[in-house]
Amino acid sequence: DAKTTQPTSMDCAEGRAANLPCNHSTISGNEYVYWYRQIHSQGPQYIIHGLKNNETNEMASLIITEDRKSSTLILPHATLRDTAVYYCIVRVAIGGSQGNLIFGKGTKLSVKP
Amino acid sequence: DADVTQTPRNRITKTGKRIMLECSQTKGHDRMYWYRQDPGLGLRLIYYSFDVKDINKGEISDGYSVSRQAQAKFSLSLESAIPNQTALYFCATSELAGGSNEQFFGPGTRLTVL
Repeated sequence: DAKTTQPTSMDCAEGRAANLPCNHSTISGNEYVYWYRQIHSQGPQYIIHGLKNNETNEMASLIITEDRKSSTLILPHATLRDTAVYYCIVRVAIGGSQGNLIFGKGTKLSVKP
Repeated sequence: DADVTQTPRNRITKTGKRIMLECSQTKGHDRMYWYRQDPGLGLRLIYYSFDVKDINKGEISDGYSVSRQAQAKFSLSLESAIPNQTALYFCATSELAGGSNEQFFGPGTRLTVL
């Protein structure tokens, strides 16, 4: 079973920041938080990951609470092309089968004009 | 050119037929994976391979088999296809260790079993 809880769907206005929450209250000390997204029926795409510090890359920012029980993915200026299903996944970064991805149902983000 | 390719992209077959889905990658990654996705659901892991001599069952391996012919190739077979294997199938790759350990996905194969 997925170890994360996400809202089923969210809407965001084009040009505004999209904030996607994720709860992972049972996360272990060696588990990272990963975010992937899937646009329509394409293969999922890696966005970002983090352990405990906030992270930023060219696609998004990841804010992880101090207790690591929840996180928020931020798309700073959402565009129509960001409409997708966003998956929050917790996993160890390296290693054997513990590093496999376990997908939940994700959050369907709809960016509206 | 795409780093992870899947063939065929679409396939319609009949119940009881044997079918093979193929995946090739040019990323030089050791690890390869096969997932299936049913409508409205996330991806579920079928099989994975950490190198050419390594094959492991995933969450839903019943009714499927795989072959890792080379580092770059990982095939998924349905020995006797059944309608509930109708789904979208994805292949993915990742590095053995180090880096972000992110997985890179192919474009998917849409399989319909009649």
